[in-house]
Amino acid sequence: QSVLTQPPSVSAAPGQKVTISCSGSSSNIGNNYVSWYQQLPGTAPKLLIYENDNRPSGIPDRFSGSKSGTSATLGITGLQTGDEADYYCGTWDSSLSAWVFGGGTKLTVL
Amino acid sequence: QVQLQESGPGLVKPSQTLSLTCTVSGGSISSGSYYWSWIRQPAGKGLEWIGRIYTRGSTNYNPSLKSRVTISVDTSKNQFSLKLSSVTAADTAVYYCARGYGVPGVMDVWGQGTTVTVSS
Repeated sequence: QSVLTQPPSVSAAPGQKVTISCSGSSSNIGNNYVSWYQQLPGTAPKLLIYENDNRPSGIPDRFSGSKSGTSATLGITGLQTGDEADYYCGTWDSSLSAWVFGGGTKLTVL
Repeated sequence: QVQLQESGPGLVKPSQTLSLTCTVSGGSISSGSYYWSWIRQPAGKGLEWIGRIYTRGSTNYNPSLKSRVTISVDTSKNQFSLKLSSVTAADTAVYYCARGYGVPGVMDVWGQGTTVTVSS
């Protein structure tokens, strides 16, 4: 059971938009920055969004992040088949003094 | 551009200690203010953070693993290491090392991962 809650899977058609939610508490998302990671099949995770809504260099603006209270959301527009991957949210949990990840969401582009 | 590479035995016997090393290239492990982390992923499952060591030496560990984990840095070799004691089959996973920065330590550079199997 992960400290951060994500839906196990989401799906949408190519070209469409999808959102992935990440729910936590005041000890983690509520008081710390959230980051998002993309894990393509068979590869290491890759930083997608940091500090809630910032994209590292090289990440297309089709990817966006937001945070409100104790929840965060990853948005992906103009879906491509190459976006099929597992997506994880993560942040620091001040009560645990530990980094926590969501359980991961598998994105299928139909 | 900093790159990370994990290395270590791919097979460990139950009750023994798992030891992995992450070699940092393209930059000094002791420069800047970074966290050096270990994360693992059992086959078909999600990411589990194991712990991290700060450039200045302090450590944080996953409470569920804390009694069995030690993370250390060897600045002379530009490496950091993971030791996980008393392993069982449940510790079988792909182990990743990663660099973190800032608050709360977003992980921006990851190694490719190394598979460790615990079996007799």
